Formats: sequence, structure tokens, C-alpha cells
Amino acid sequence: DIQLTQSPSFLSASVGDRVTITCRASQGITTSLAWYQQSPGKAPKLLISAASTLQSGVPSRFRGSGSGTQFTLTISSLQPEDFATYYCQQLKSSPPLFGGGTRVDIK
Amino acid sequence: QAQMVQSGSEVKKPGSSVTLSCNVNGGLRNSQTIHWVRQAPGQGLEWMGRFIPVYRRSDYSHMFQGRVTFSADRSKTTAYMELASLRLDDTAVYYCASATYPGWNFGDFSFPFDDWGQGSLVIVSS
Repeated sequence: DIQLTQSPSFLSASVGDRVTITCRASQGITTSLAWYQQSPGKAPKLLISAASTLQSGVPSRFRGSGSGTQFTLTISSLQPEDFATYYCQQLKSSPPLFGGGTRVDIK
Repeated sequence: QAQMVQSGSEVKKPGSSVTLSCNVNGGLRNSQTIHWVRQAPGQGLEWMGRFIPVYRRSDYSHMFQGRVTFSADRSKTTAYMELASLRLDDTAVYYCASATYPGWNFGDFSFPFDDWGQGSLVIVSS
């Protein structure tokens, strides 16, 4: 199975901050990676597919990049509604496992 | 976009089974599959497997193989997940999620989970 390691697992930031979350795959997955946002008590929401394709309706302050084994999710200017947990997911092969998550809290 | 509405909370005894439903507004297209993902309290997301309605075929995570069964009604408007031999550590929120496979290329896993149900809480307690 292809494992994903996210870092950090927790970060504290302020509104307006630039935030970067990293996801590392245990083997190369080209760009077969998705990012999800999960607000407390809610279902996950797809933000980015194919490592960098922003889903319709997702604000442009979210940016995904990377290929192979190293990926990043960047939020250029953190907004109040962005405080949530973010998960990466590999979609190169079955099982489509998720990373452990990064919780973004208000400083 | 598929609107997916899941059944309500369940409280079960260890050793029993639970069946959850996931209703897809408008029904599933032949190119869609239903994935099941669970989340234990305070934990991350765990993939359980997927159901391919057009072929009525399932792919199960080896973590749940033999204990979980996916199905759907013949109209493909409601998907089901049955988990048997429940244990205390099966307490979790269970989500259904849909993924669309252009060209019905179900062997390619590169399609993300673009719509999710609201989740069903299952509590296993003696």
C-alpha cells in the first residue's frame, strides 16, 4: 500500500497568514493526489484533484503543487472559514489511502 | 453534483451487525461508484472500499474484508453498507462518497471523491 505522511499534524495561524501543508508519499504517485478540507462536524470536501486542479467554487487562495512523492497545499491568505483539518489522498492505486491530516487552528 | 443523504445514528452491541444507507438524489450514473470511508472519534479518514453499481461489484479494503458488504437497490438510488461482527473500535462516523469514472474505467483509481454524504454515527457499546 502507498502510505502518505502529512506535516505538520497541527498548526496554529492567524487570519491573513500564508500556510503550507506538506504531503509525502511512500512511493512515486505522479500527480495522482487529492486534497480535502474537513470542517468540525462536517463531511470532507474536495478542494484539489490531480495535485493542482482547483475544484469549481474553491477560492483561488488555495493552491496545490507537487509530483512524484512530495506535494504541498498552500493557502495564500488564511480566512476564518479555512480553520479546519486538511487531508491528502493518493489516487495512484488501490487502496486510495488518506494522509493523517493537518489541523489548522486559530492562533 | 450528487446530493447524498445518509441514514441516522445507530447504537449497537458488540458482535452484532449494522446496515447503513446512502441515498443519492437522482440516482447514480453508470460511471459513478460509491466509496465508504469511516472516521473514528478524533481520528483520520479510513477507506473501507467501494461499490460499482453498474457491475454490482465491490472492492474491499483488506482491513475489512470478510466483515463488510456493499450493495445497492436495483434503481441505483440507494447504496448500503453492512458491517458485521461489530467491535468497540468500530465506533465511528461512516461516510459514503461518490467518484466518477469517465469511460467506466473502474480499474483506474485516479478519480477523487467529489461528493460526500453527511455521515452516519455508529456507536458500539456493551
